[in-house]
Formats: sequence, structure tokens, C-alpha cells
Amino acid sequence: GQNIDQPTEMTATEGAIVQINCTYQTSGFNGLFWYQQHAGEAPTFLSYNVLDGLEEKGRFSSFLSRSKGYSYLLLKELQMKDSASYLCAVRDTNTGTASKLTFGTGTRLQVTL
Amino acid sequence: DGGITQSPKYLFRKEGQNVTLSCEQNLNHDAMYWYRQDPGQGLRLIYYSQIVNDFQKGDIAEGYSVSREKKESFPLTVTSAQKNPTAFYLCATMGSPYQPQHFGDGTRLSIL
Repeated sequence: GQNIDQPTEMTATEGAIVQINCTYQTSGFNGLFWYQQHAGEAPTFLSYNVLDGLEEKGRFSSFLSRSKGYSYLLLKELQMKDSASYLCAVRDTNTGTASKLTFGTGTRLQVTL
Repeated sequence: DGGITQSPKYLFRKEGQNVTLSCEQNLNHDAMYWYRQDPGQGLRLIYYSQIVNDFQKGDIAEGYSVSREKKESFPLTVTSAQKNPTAFYLCATMGSPYQPQHFGDGTRLSIL
């Protein structure tokens, strides 16, 4: 099975940088996803890591260390609209055309002035 | 316009009643998924389907049923056996094993 841990809540100031951590313990691993979810809405895809290292996409970056079972999402130049929950999800070892994701409980980020 | 359509947006269930949530996609994706989200919680997998006429139980399938008669459609029935159905239900699709899952806008189910 999969066990995924994220902090429950974080607060950061507009214009600052925030790092949201995710640790996982899995019986199989085939990639890690980060999703953003605004209150009452569906999750939207942010980033995907399958190899160790940093993936950068504009203001958002995601890092993975498979040996440590650890990932983080880095948000730069925070904006008020970044206030949302951030979900870490691990994909199991692919056994067919559909692969399963196990989601963490999410980190609720509040951006303040 | 390609996408995933869930309906209705809000649904109310009476005691002892079965209700069906619709999920339709025109993305031509093979894999479809149903998740349940409770307040302050992550997503939990109910059922998923890789191809037409085939589906598998997820982590919390009890009290739910699905069908996959067409590639475009993956309806979820919440049966009376599901004693705590109040939640936000999300349908997702995936085009290939190395692509992210994409979500519909969700259906919020409540008990009357």
C-alpha cells in the first residue's frame, strides 16, 4: 500500500516563497504528481516527477528524491490566487493501461497580504 | 470543446434511495476513475475502469456500483447500502499510463 504525509496547513505572505513537503512510503512507485485544488472545485494538474531532481514550470517547481521517499512543491512570488489546497499523489507501479493514484490529505495554503 | 462533464452539480438523496452520478468524456481516454472527497481530506478511489465492459474496485467500493458500457461514459450509483454518502464526488480520466489524470467539476451529494 501507500502512505503519504503532507502538512495540514501553511501560511505565507504575498510575494514570498513557500515550500510544501510530501513524504511517502510505498510498495511500488511510478511517479509523483502535484495538484492544486481551490475550495469547492476540482483538482488541476501542476507537475509530475518520475526521476530524481527538479522540474520547473514558471513560478512552480517540484523536486523528487526517490531514495528518501520525498518530494516538495516550491511556489515563488506568491499571489493571493495561490491560496488553495495542494495535493501530493503517488502512482503505483503500472500494471495496465490504467494506473492508480494514492492521494495525500492535502496542504491548505493561505496567502496573506 | 473537449472535456469531462459531471452532472448534476448538486444532488440530494433520501434515506433508502439509490442515486446515479453521471460522468461523460469526449477526450477519447480509455481509463476513467471515481473518487470521493470528504471535507479536509484527500481523494479516495471508489472504482476505476481501463476499458469498456471492465472495471475494478478501488479502496472504498462498498455501497457503490459502476458500469462502463461505452467508452465515453462511466456512471456511479450510490446505493442505499452506503450509509454515509455525503461527500464531493470526482470523476477523472487518463489518456495513457504516463499522463496525469484530469478531473471533472465534481458532484456534491447530500442526504435530505
